[in-house]
Amino acid sequence: DTAVSQTPKYLVTQMGNDKSIKCEQNLGHDTMYWYKQDSKKFLKIMFSYNNKELIINETVPNRFSPKSPDKAHLNLHINSLELGDSAVYFCASSQDPAGKTQYFGPGTRLLVL
Amino acid sequence: SQQGEEDPQALSIQEGENATMNCSYKTSINNLQWYRQNSGRGLVHLILIRSNEREKHSGRLRVTLDTSKKSSSLLITASRAADTASYFCATDKDSSYKLIFGSGTRLLVRP
Repeated sequence: DTAVSQTPKYLVTQMGNDKSIKCEQNLGHDTMYWYKQDSKKFLKIMFSYNNKELIINETVPNRFSPKSPDKAHLNLHINSLELGDSAVYFCASSQDPAGKTQYFGPGTRLLVL
Repeated sequence: SQQGEEDPQALSIQEGENATMNCSYKTSINNLQWYRQNSGRGLVHLILIRSNEREKHSGRLRVTLDTSKKSSSLLITASRAADTASYFCATDKDSSYKLIFGSGTRLLVRP
């Protein structure tokens, strides 16, 4: 009955590798988000999709590529991982984009060695 | 750039005491929300206050909003050890779909 789920929960990988994080929501929401939380707990929006269309694309290296196969799923693929990519990545969803309450997943803790 | 700044960065109180956290922001907003994050978990929505509202209550939570000062406060009354978490304010600006989060206040409630 999990509302927003992410896999994997932990990801440890070597610099230069390519990895993907998956997110699924069963709330019937139209909008999904990816956030990055750094070691100082600062949470920053990366991408947002509304009904499978990209609506927010912050200043993020193009090594990061989101993909939304349907409105219940939003995946994040990261190419050529760097040490600075180490962070916790959160997926979230909301009913629509207009400043509504967001529901967060449990996070994916990425460590790049 | 970051929209919200929380104050204090960290707060330690005794169980039963009240906890007050403040949030300041820079530009006009539509709504302001408060979220809680327990250690190692995702954020959980607590309360939303609209720009035309001044005060809102939800259980032991009381939120105020002063748009003239571009600030909000979150009061948790009769705190419990389970309230130990980080608390974030988040704002959405006019004509923007983005939620901008503050830097967070780490609250420790000592039993």
